[in-house]
Amino acid sequence: DAGITQSPRHKVTETGTPVTLRCHQTENHRYMYWYRQDPGHGLRLIHYSYGVKDTDKGEVSDGYSVSRSKTEDFLLTLESATSSQTSVYFCAISEGGVDEQYFGPGTRLTVT
Amino acid sequence: QKEVEQDPGPLSVPEGAIVSLNCTYSNSAFQYFMWYRQYSRKGPELLMYTYSSGNKEDGRFTAQVDKSSKYISLFIRDSQPSDSATYLCAMSVGYGQNFVFGPGTRLSVLP
Repeated sequence: DAGITQSPRHKVTETGTPVTLRCHQTENHRYMYWYRQDPGHGLRLIHYSYGVKDTDKGEVSDGYSVSRSKTEDFLLTLESATSSQTSVYFCAISEGGVDEQYFGPGTRLTVT
Repeated sequence: QKEVEQDPGPLSVPEGAIVSLNCTYSNSAFQYFMWYRQYSRKGPELLMYTYSSGNKEDGRFTAQVDKSSKYISLFIRDSQPSDSATYLCAMSVGYGQNFVFGPGTRLSVLP
């Protein structure tokens, strides 16, 4: 998985609790992305980062926030988890080229 | 209408068959077209990408883009059981721009 790790890999949490997912890369790539993957919807972009402290919203950003204080780490926070946020979350990295987006192994999140 | 559409399958074929996977899209500004393969409980991995219209071949895989019809295809020749996976198409309007993914087609190649 091209030097990308995600933690935790599995998590079950209750509605209303905050949750933070971590993506760590060892490739020193500039861009980092958070996607969610749901049946019938494919991968949808939540937020992305184009440098330390530089982030922007994607297609489905409501209810999520991100932070990137170091090149290698990109955190995704669900401020108050809801059942609709039950999903598989993937982190990806890129140097900006269309053929260079590499994905992590995913985090399976269940909100009960 | 979704921006990128794919038949979700599942598509089952015998080993050795030629497989055709397809996506249609609505945004005529898309210029970069990618195919990803995703094994169960793994992250997607890039198979091929093409720019604008035309064909691109890589081993048993051929990617085809028809921008006039807003239609892209991935052909797999001599399919193998190891090709069993979900195939996602993705598109971008420009270099470094964000991708839009199709929902994926699940393929099973039976030995």
